[in-house]
Amino acid sequence: TQLLEQSPQFLSIQEGENLTVYCNSSSVFSSLQWYRQEPGEGPVLLVTVVTGGEVKKLKRLTFQFGDARKDSSLHITAAQPGDTGLYLCAGAGTYKYIFGTGTRLKVLA
Amino acid sequence: GAGVSQSPSNKVTEKGKDVELRCDPISGHTALYWYRQSLGQGLEFLIYFQGNSAPDKSGLPSDRFSAERTGGSVSTLTIQRTQQEDSAVYLCASRQGGTAFFGQGTRLTVV
Repeated sequence: TQLLEQSPQFLSIQEGENLTVYCNSSSVFSSLQWYRQEPGEGPVLLVTVVTGGEVKKLKRLTFQFGDARKDSSLHITAAQPGDTGLYLCAGAGTYKYIFGTGTRLKVLA
Repeated sequence: GAGVSQSPSNKVTEKGKDVELRCDPISGHTALYWYRQSLGQGLEFLIYFQGNSAPDKSGLPSDRFSAERTGGSVSTLTIQRTQQEDSAVYLCASRQGGTAFFGQGTRLTVV
């Protein structure tokens, strides 16, 4: 069974701080996606990484896919209250998306 | 449509009753997924439809759960004889290519 573990599970930080969220698995994925989910909404795709070692930047967010395509990280620089939400990583297998356990981020003003 | 649409957005039902949840995927998307999300948790895979192929039902938690997809478009998830542990948000997603788009979900509460 493919599993994705995210850490930390919960994170509460002050506005302006930096943070990193990790997504780890013992399985290899063809690609990995990061989603953000706000209360009452479905997850919204942030980025897809497909190549081992790939780094993608989306404004203050930096995503990295591990060389072996088993893990990924999300780094947020100078966090803002609008970054608050549940962050989910999802690994793409043959066709099924396996979702991580989620990281709930709260950024305090 | 412009996005994935799910209905109803909220459903409160009595224990033992049957419920039907509906998903309208993005037009032209051949892949459709159902996931379940318990309060504050990650997503649990339930079932996957791809075109006319037999669906992958490996995530359905019991035989009280079933789903169908008519005409390769609209999908209905049915839960029979609901139990309190079925209370969760049920999310539908459709995919074309590498990106899955989610609906807003149906929040099911079994009382």
